[in-house]
Amino acid sequence: GQNIDQPTEMTATEGAIVQINCTYQTSGFNGLFWYQQHAGEAPTFLSYNVLDGLEEKGRFSSFLSRSKGYSYLLLKELQMKDSASYLCAVLDSNYQLIWGAGTKLIIKP
Amino acid sequence: DVKVTQSSRYLVKRTGEKVFLECVQDMDHENMFWYRQDPGLGLRLIYFSYDVKMKEKGDIPEGYSVSREKKERFSLILESASTNQTSMYLCASSLWDRGNTGELFFGEGSRLTVL
Repeated sequence: GQNIDQPTEMTATEGAIVQINCTYQTSGFNGLFWYQQHAGEAPTFLSYNVLDGLEEKGRFSSFLSRSKGYSYLLLKELQMKDSASYLCAVLDSNYQLIWGAGTKLIIKP
Repeated sequence: DVKVTQSSRYLVKRTGEKVFLECVQDMDHENMFWYRQDPGLGLRLIYFSYDVKMKEKGDIPEGYSVSREKKERFSLILESASTNQTSMYLCASSLWDRGNTGELFFGEGSRLTVL
C-alpha cells in the first residue's frame, strides 16, 4: 500500500531551526508538496519538489531524495506564527495526492 | 488572490438528515476536490471533478455524492448523515493536470457534527 510517514508532533524554540521529516512509499512519484495549516484554517501551499535537492524560499527550505523516499522541511529563525501543522503529500504515478497525517509544530518562547 | 469559499463553517445535523456542503471558487479552475480531515489521519479524498458534470470517486466515496453543474461550484451531498461522518470537510481547487502539477487552493473548511 501507499504510505506517508511524518512525526505527529514537534516542539521547538523561537529563533531556532527545526527540521520536519517525511518518508514515503508510493506507487510512482510525480512530486512532493508541503502545506502549512494553522489551527482552524485551510492548508496553504509552501513548496513543491520533483527533483532531488534543496529548494529554498525565505526562511523555509524543502529537500528531496527520491532514491531514499525522503523529504524534509527546514524552518529557520522560528517565529511564534510558525506554530501550525505541516502536511506532506506525494503525487503518485496516477497523479493522485497521497497525504501524510501532518506534523503539529509547537513553538515555545 | 484565488478564493475558495465554503458555504458553512459549522453545521450540526441529526442522523438521517440530508446535508449539502457548497463550495465555490473564483479562479476558473478546472479541478475541484472534496476531502475530509480527521485527527491522526491524512486528508482523505472523497470525490473530485476535472470538468463540469464530471465526477470521479476518491478513496472514501461511500455515503457521499457530488454535483458539479457549473465550473465554479462543487457540492458535496450526504444523503443520510451518520455519526461517523462527523468531520472537517475541505474543498479545494487547482489548475493541476497531467504534466502540469500545481498547488491546491483550499477553502476554510466546514466542520460537520452529526448527532
